[in-house]
Amino acid sequence: EAGVAQSPRYKIIEKRQSVAFWCNPISGHATLYWYQQILGQGPKLLIQFQNNGVVDDSQLPKDRFSAERLKGVDSTLKIQPAKLEDSAVYLCASSLVGQGGGEQYFGPGTRLTVT
Amino acid sequence: AQKVTQAQTEISVVEKEDVTLDCVYETRDTTYYLFWYKQPPSGELVFLIRRNSFDEQNEISGRYSWNFQKSTSSFNFTITASQVVDSAVYFCALSEAMEYGNKLVFGAGTILRVKS
Repeated sequence: EAGVAQSPRYKIIEKRQSVAFWCNPISGHATLYWYQQILGQGPKLLIQFQNNGVVDDSQLPKDRFSAERLKGVDSTLKIQPAKLEDSAVYLCASSLVGQGGGEQYFGPGTRLTVT
Repeated sequence: AQKVTQAQTEISVVEKEDVTLDCVYETRDTTYYLFWYKQPPSGELVFLIRRNSFDEQNEISGRYSWNFQKSTSSFNFTITASQVVDSAVYFCALSEAMEYGNKLVFGAGTILRVKS
């Protein structure tokens, strides 16, 4: 079974530029998550999708971050414009639908450096 | 609000030593889930274990064991006879019961270095 795929793996941009990350979850997983992991910290949930609908985006900085999951499969996370403090690893995860407690499967992440 | 505290920032041991990683959590929910994840240098988070709040049985899986104590809000993780391959960052996480999926709240992680 293929795991969660993410691209690119690394990205370096200057502040005020835009960037987009892509995630392809495990086939059949209805729930998709984007996390931000700043160096030395644990991952922080940015947004959670159930199929193509948003379940929780309470910690997403909506003035500069946006995410979509068209057709309930792949997802993209965009930052526009980027700030220095956005430098982090962006992790995508997916899980089967169902009540809480299900295991989340994580992708390898995209390491973003904003200069 | 939910919170997970991993007080140990970094632990160094010599191979074959036993090591325990501490995790203390805070929640007002009566139904919740606790997790441990491993993050090796490659960066990908690897699921290790899940526990629900109604199951306080300790669990052993090979060299790994977990001790869940609701009375002290702790979910500690022990590696017996550590190996160099155990070197990684270990995260404890907490999730409330939700209709869809989980909203994981992670601790800051503990860096484990196992020296040969």
